[in-house]
Amino acid sequence: DQQVKQNSPSLSVQEGRISILNCDYTNSMFDYFLWYKKYPAEGPTFLISISSIKDKNEDGRFTVFLNKSAKHLSLHIVPSQPGDSAVYFCAAPGGGSAGGTSYGKLTFGQGTILTVHP
Amino acid sequence: NAGVMQNPRHLVRRRGQEARLRCSPMKGHSHVYWYRQLPEEGLKFMVYLQKENIIDESGMPKERFSAEFPKEGPSILRIQQVVRGDSAAYFCASSPQGYTEAFFGQGTRLTVV
Repeated sequence: DQQVKQNSPSLSVQEGRISILNCDYTNSMFDYFLWYKKYPAEGPTFLISISSIKDKNEDGRFTVFLNKSAKHLSLHIVPSQPGDSAVYFCAAPGGGSAGGTSYGKLTFGQGTILTVHP
Repeated sequence: NAGVMQNPRHLVRRRGQEARLRCSPMKGHSHVYWYRQLPEEGLKFMVYLQKENIIDESGMPKERFSAEFPKEGPSILRIQQVVRGDSAAYFCASSPQGYTEAFFGQGTRLTVV
């Protein structure tokens, strides 16, 4: 049961343009969402988060939008830079057979490989 | 402040051997989480520990896998009698409390031959 889904395995964008990464979830109990960025041979790095009481959170070039009614969130990167090329995961605390809401116990999507071309 | 340290970075084991993966959390962090990432997949939660306690092991396979976080020393993920399907990247994360974002280590890549 994939409770967090990233349906686009990859995305290719030109430098300077906007990158939009999408994520859908099925568990209506999720009330907090995080985006992680991962380079090859490294661990995930926390990027930005959003609480379900908000519909937008912005941090520099990164903005996350949440549409609770559609159970959908998206990460916008503007402008995109070659150094942004990585795998991006969305995640939510909790989920799984035992539930729980520790922010370290996360349900991850499958990831989207972003490639930003110079 | 050093990040989450995992060792070894790469581990090769023959089928039937034991694998021990170590994780030293960030200073001041008492919550540790282990994840597994199979090829072409996302990270899957395995177990959540605090010092000397297993809080949630709902993602751990029922057999051959165990984890501990002793009062002194690193957290250990132990896999007995490894099989080829155990080949994966294993990540450890730590946080100072349960309701704060966790920081990940660089992972241990286990290859079973």
